[in-house]
Amino acid sequence: EAGVVQSPRYKIIEKKQPVAFWCNPISGHNTLYWYLQNLGQGPELLIRYENEEAVDDSQLPKDRFSAERLKGVDSTLKIQPAELGDSAVYLCASSAGTRLTQYFGPGTRLTVL
Amino acid sequence: GESVGLHLPTLSVQEGDNSIINCAYSNSASDYFIWYKQESGKGPQFIIDIRSNMDKRQGQRVTVLLNKTVKHLSLQIAATQPGDSAVYFCAEASNTGKLIFGQGTTLQVKP
Repeated sequence: EAGVVQSPRYKIIEKKQPVAFWCNPISGHNTLYWYLQNLGQGPELLIRYENEEAVDDSQLPKDRFSAERLKGVDSTLKIQPAELGDSAVYLCASSAGTRLTQYFGPGTRLTVL
Repeated sequence: GESVGLHLPTLSVQEGDNSIINCAYSNSASDYFIWYKQESGKGPQFIIDIRSNMDKRQGQRVTVLLNKTVKHLSLQIAATQPGDSAVYFCAEASNTGKLIFGQGTTLQVKP
């Protein structure tokens, strides 16, 4: 069974540019998560989807971050405009339901210059 | 606020020895705990989980112990191998399913 797929794996952009990350969860997993992981830290939740509904986006900086999961499968996380402090690894995870095991993708390492 | 912390940032063990990684959590209402392993350049990999109605759970070479009295969680790895070298995170699940991760412990296995 394929795991969580993320692309791109690496992205380098200049500040004030937009950037987008894509995630394809494990087949059949209706719950999808986006996390931010700073160097040396544990992941922090940005947003959680149940199917196509964002049920927890309290930690998402909505002035520059947006996310969508239009058909309840793939998801895209966008930053516009990017700031230097956005440099981090962006992880996507999925689970078969809330409070069930979350499986993570490899992440996208973003560097903002 | 809620937090899950690990006692040691780095643990160095000899190959073949047993490893014990500790974690303290603060929310006594949490009822689900997970250990993840993260290798360099990869996402966190699920190792083992435990629910609060259990004190101990065993997997292949790994055991998780939960002490609810002192809000302490530990991961034991038997016969540690070089491939076990990684950062280990404990995570606490809130009643909404949100995972709260600790800082991580780096396990270094000496040959």
